[in-house]
Amino acid sequence: EPEVTQTPSHQVTQMGQEVILRCVPISNHLYFYWYRQILGQKVEFLVSFYNNEISEKSEIFDDQFSVERPDGSNFTLKIRSTKLEDSAMYFCASSPSGGTNEKLFFGSGTQLSVL
Amino acid sequence: SQQGEEDPQALSIQEGENATMNCSYKTSINNLQWYRQNSGRGLVHLILIRSNEREKHSGRLRVTLDTSKKSSSLLITASRAADTASYFCATADFGNEKLTFGTGTRLTIIP
Repeated sequence: EPEVTQTPSHQVTQMGQEVILRCVPISNHLYFYWYRQILGQKVEFLVSFYNNEISEKSEIFDDQFSVERPDGSNFTLKIRSTKLEDSAMYFCASSPSGGTNEKLFFGSGTQLSVL
Repeated sequence: SQQGEEDPQALSIQEGENATMNCSYKTSINNLQWYRQNSGRGLVHLILIRSNEREKHSGRLRVTLDTSKKSSSLLITASRAADTASYFCATADFGNEKLTFGTGTRLTIIP
């Protein structure tokens, strides 16, 4: 079965550094998402992306965050200047054509640790 | 309670028994979805039930939805050790593109 792949699986960075988390959604999917899960807490929505633009974002997704689909296959999340509270598991997800009218396919996540 | 709260928070049962998890939510929803998460891994979609549906089955899974009570339940019958995981409900509202996840139920199946 097709999978959403995320790299790296673990990322350690110093506070204030920029990180880029990478995702390859399933090839014929049209909707892309980033979610995060701080240890022991709920999975939280960050941003949705459709037709090469952000369709919705949460309050968490401030100016420090950006997303990009640079080449038609990759979908990246950039955190410009990381903070300690950005430490979390970041999940990429995609869905075929109906957004949240359909199920989402999640990747295995990138565990980001900000020191 | 917050949108998408599951209970119980943790559940331990013997292999072969049935497991029931409940989810409550606050808004008017388009659909409600259940996901499983094995420790340290991604979320796997289990089942989606739309707001005009009351019950849905998939293999050993049975989901009910009561929109008047804003609640849903997930029943796993004849549990197996491999069912050990965290289970989350997630709601999709009309007119937006996000899923709102609940707090999750950690299910442990004792062999």
